[in-house]
Amino acid sequence: NAGVTQTPKFRILKIGQSMTLQCAQDMNHNYMYWYRQDPGMGLKLIYYSVGAGITDKGEVPNGYNVSRSTTEDFPLRLELAAPSQTSVYFCASSRGPETQYFGPGTRLLVL
Amino acid sequence: AQSVTQLDSHVSVSEGTPVLLRCNYSSSYSPSLFWYVQHPNKGLQLLLKYTSAATLVKGINGFEAEFKKSETSFHLTKPSAHMSDAAEYFCVVSSAGGGADGLTFGKGTHLIIQP
Repeated sequence: NAGVTQTPKFRILKIGQSMTLQCAQDMNHNYMYWYRQDPGMGLKLIYYSVGAGITDKGEVPNGYNVSRSTTEDFPLRLELAAPSQTSVYFCASSRGPETQYFGPGTRLLVL
Repeated sequence: AQSVTQLDSHVSVSEGTPVLLRCNYSSSYSPSLFWYVQHPNKGLQLLLKYTSAATLVKGINGFEAEFKKSETSFHLTKPSAHMSDAAEYFCVVSSAGGGADGLTFGKGTHLIIQP
């Protein structure tokens, strides 16, 4: 099993550009999550999904969108990148709502 | 409402000496508690979890944590530090309802191992 994979590993965006962060898992987990991690801080939940076709907002959803068309994939979309979205983004998945397995992260720099 | 406080932002120990990373929590429900480790430029890896079974929880790589309800604490310990333990450690609390949005992360403790 590859576990949770994320692409790209690193990206630089200009203000106003858009991009999609990809996340995939091969563990047949129903639950998937997107977090952002800012320096010196814990993780903040952006969006989560409890199954294909179902998504919901987390603590910090503004400026982001998600979709969950399959069990395996959970892409995160940034429509109009802003410097405040400079962060490290982690995708995670879990069988139930608790023990989560994390991907390696995507470092995003918005200039 | 729930919260978690990691009492030290940085902890420095010598190789071979004990490690103590402190975590206090608050929760309106019977919580589940976790410790995750993050090595540089890596994702988070689960070290151990407490889910209302034994109060002393053993995890990977020789780590363990004790749930103390009276002190609302869940401190992480290891008898003898190894250089490979240098990383960021996160204490996490989950509400008893177990909702997918129910995880709250601490701000992390950076563990430094001196040779």
